[in-house]
Amino acid sequence: QKEVEQNSGPLSVPEGAIASLNCTYSDRGSQSFFWYRQYSGKSPELIMFIYSNGDKEDGRFTAQLNKASQYVSLLIRDSQPSDSATYLCAGRNTNAGKSTFGDGTTLTVKP
Amino acid sequence: DVKVTQSSRYLVKRTGEKVFLECVQDMDHENMFWYRQDPGLGLRLIYFSYDVKMKEKGDIPEGYSVSREKKERFSLILESASTNQTSMYLCASSLDRVDEKLFFGSGTQLSVL
Repeated sequence: QKEVEQNSGPLSVPEGAIASLNCTYSDRGSQSFFWYRQYSGKSPELIMFIYSNGDKEDGRFTAQLNKASQYVSLLIRDSQPSDSATYLCAGRNTNAGKSTFGDGTTLTVKP
Repeated sequence: DVKVTQSSRYLVKRTGEKVFLECVQDMDHENMFWYRQDPGLGLRLIYFSYDVKMKEKGDIPEGYSVSREKKERFSLILESASTNQTSMYLCASSLDRVDEKLFFGSGTQLSVL
């Protein structure tokens, strides 16, 4: 079992809809979680991070963390074609000192 | 803005060659990382460093070594390149051990023929 699992997709949503990206993790020592966006041919860029249970909102993005269920999600409201990319979920165990990435979910937003 | 610069965007080498991939960051970050990214395998950590002259093995260190002589520079070395090391190599940095938000370079696509 991979330490961080994501649905590979592809996930397709119409423009203006809510895109929901999900991630589960197996390492209960992971304390912080990150979402990176990667456009085709480009390198990943950080878009959200969350350390505590609950929701964290930033503009159209909401990250959700449930440590009891070992579940992290990213919601993108009012999806735009420019949101079409691969989204990488990463968890970090401070004691281990490194982040572990999921394989990514490819999102396509159709006009 | 944090800038992480990788010396080459594309690189073609022959099997058996010694290959150096260079990475420089300009934000005085403590931590630096080398990942490789392959279709279907995701991002995999090769080596990382929390301080000058310090290095830690990641998940797939075999066939690689690293050097960190200065805080801003982290080099990945392929001692004897092989075809299975054809990949996209990504360098990243983060502020310190507590704040590990990663900032990535633009990547080096290495082809080993």
